[in-house]
Amino acid sequence: GQQLNQSPQSMFIQEGEDVSMNCTSSSIFNTWLWYKQEPGEGPVLLIALYKAGELTSNGRLTAQFGITRKDSFLNISASIPSDVGIYFCAGQLRSGYALNFGKGTSLLVTP
Amino acid sequence: DVKVTQSSRYLVKRTGEKVFLECVQDMDHENMFWYRQDPGLGLRLIYFSYDVKMKEKGDIPEGYSVSREKKERFSLILESASTNQTSMYLCASSGNTYEQYFGPGTRLTVT
Repeated sequence: GQQLNQSPQSMFIQEGEDVSMNCTSSSIFNTWLWYKQEPGEGPVLLIALYKAGELTSNGRLTAQFGITRKDSFLNISASIPSDVGIYFCAGQLRSGYALNFGKGTSLLVTP
Repeated sequence: DVKVTQSSRYLVKRTGEKVFLECVQDMDHENMFWYRQDPGLGLRLIYFSYDVKMKEKGDIPEGYSVSREKKERFSLILESASTNQTSMYLCASSGNTYEQYFGPGTRLTVT
């Protein structure tokens, strides 16, 4: 599978700040997914995007499916300490197939 | 809610032992996946299965095999464990949508 380019690799921010991370690919995808993983746990699905240009929110999280279908970004507004974790992007060409993952963005939030 | 469970959260095995990692999902999903996760490398696909008794190699199948005798259960087998197989192993499942749901992971240490 293809490894996606996810940036930044890590972020260390203060509570209340907004966060932005993105993911790019050399190939197009039909779906972009964003997961969060907390220490010692499996990834949990946050947002799924199905259409180029789509902008979707889940509480303080907003994600967009890039118009070229080769990129996506995730924003977290007004961060809080429980946002700490590793955020992964994943792209998929066909449903039911394996995901192509980015290497993750490690987020640390200080009170 | 989709539930994916893995038989052990932590496992310690000796080099050369045969190791079984079990994964069970309760949502009647057709597709099941095994990934391993290592620092700096992200999630890498080992094997996946899209039906009972069917399996497909992922990106890093060497040293592993799988078994899917029932729809809800997907087993990962390390025929002869080696120290370079020390890792976090994650199972996931999906139906006919793009979203994959992960189990909590098994942290395997091979000494």
